[in-house]
Amino acid sequence: AAGVIQSPRHLIKEKRETATLKCYPIPRHDTVYWYQQGPGQDPQFLISFYEKMQSDKGSIPDRFSAQQFSDYHSELNMSSLELGDSALYFCASSLGPTGGMGEAFFGQGTRLTVV
Amino acid sequence: SQQGEEDPQALSIQEGENATMNCSYKTSINNLQWYRQNSGRGLVHLILIRSNEREKHSGRLRVTLDTSKKSSSLLITASRAADTASYFCATDPRGYSTLTFGKGTMLLVSP
Repeated sequence: AAGVIQSPRHLIKEKRETATLKCYPIPRHDTVYWYQQGPGQDPQFLISFYEKMQSDKGSIPDRFSAQQFSDYHSELNMSSLELGDSALYFCASSLGPTGGMGEAFFGQGTRLTVV
Repeated sequence: SQQGEEDPQALSIQEGENATMNCSYKTSINNLQWYRQNSGRGLVHLILIRSNEREKHSGRLRVTLDTSKKSSSLLITASRAADTASYFCATDPRGYSTLTFGKGTMLLVSP
């Protein structure tokens, strides 16, 4: 069965550079979520989209932005990268509107290293 | 602080033993979910229990939910070395379309 696809799997960037992470949800899933997980930390919610509109916002820095496109894939854009942005970035998708997320399926994550 | 707090932070047991992990949360929820994560890998959904359910089973997993105490437990019976991973509870706070994760329990099952 198709799962959530994230690309790239690994990314190395220098400080102050820009990075774009992509997420392809499970077909027919209408909701996408982005999470950041630092080393030894729990996943922190960044932002979510439902039907291509921003649904909820968590601890996402102003340097980051995201959107969901007409084909439901989502991109997380990260600018002016800092060393502290080094983390695993997960995307998840679910079938369901806001409130009552139901089962979320996570991708394998993108490991971003900022040097 | 986190919506989901788990204890213990780390648990080391022998194969065949049972492992129990606990999770507490703060706000009203629609459901509570447990996830497993192997080191540096993706999060794998284990089980979802809705706020109107008290207990749920899936294979060797048993989850309980006590909404009056805002707590849940995950029991893994007859553990195997392959169960070694971090286990996170995640809550779906009522009114929000997010999952809020706890800090996780690192389980080590020794052969």
